[in-house]
Amino acid sequence: GAGVSQSPSNKVTEKGKDVELRCDPISGHTALYWYRQRLGQGLEFLIYFQVNSAPDKSGLPSDRFSAERTGESVSTLTIQRTQQEDSAVYLCASSLDYGTPAFFGQGTRLTVV
Amino acid sequence: QKEVEQDPGPLSVPEGAIVSLNCTYSNSAFQYFMWYRQYSRKGPELLMYTYSSGNKEDGRFTAQVDKSSKYISLFIRDSQPSDSATYLCAMSAGGGNKLTFGTGTQLKVEL
Repeated sequence: GAGVSQSPSNKVTEKGKDVELRCDPISGHTALYWYRQRLGQGLEFLIYFQVNSAPDKSGLPSDRFSAERTGESVSTLTIQRTQQEDSAVYLCASSLDYGTPAFFGQGTRLTVV
Repeated sequence: QKEVEQDPGPLSVPEGAIVSLNCTYSNSAFQYFMWYRQYSRKGPELLMYTYSSGNKEDGRFTAQVDKSSKYISLFIRDSQPSDSATYLCAMSAGGGNKLTFGTGTQLKVEL
């Protein structure tokens, strides 16, 4: 596709359930980022992938959060045992090489009830 | 205190006005400064990218960075209704992979 694609666009889950969010980056983009946008707050960095480098996981808020990416392809962000404070829009972005994330997907709106 | 402060607005201006959007920050290590535009229910898109202090112009948009005051600005000339969106400032100390964002300023340009 032409842009960064994320799925699902909306997800409502019960507290305690696990969720998996998916990101398809722009073809050829080696860098991929996950950010979280909670209501009334700025985007928070979660994790950064660069091909042939160890991911920067320093933004993951707890060990309930994990993410994977294989090569230059799809990434998944998994949240285990979801809590209400996990409710947010989860945004994925990609870029060429090591650079500023220029292209974000439209995000997955996660609501934990 | 947040590392990056941004007035949430909303800011309402008439079409054709010059718009000034601003952010202040506290971390003197920040060297890379960006402005993003985010339409409702969409992801942010990068508008401007500057390194260190100075001005950068791109069409109707001008970004200014004053590191001595820890203050950055985005100016929009001849504002259009299509400029109505939330504008996010972002910055980093060492490149683009870990950005610190402001909360965004909501702008409405009225006919």
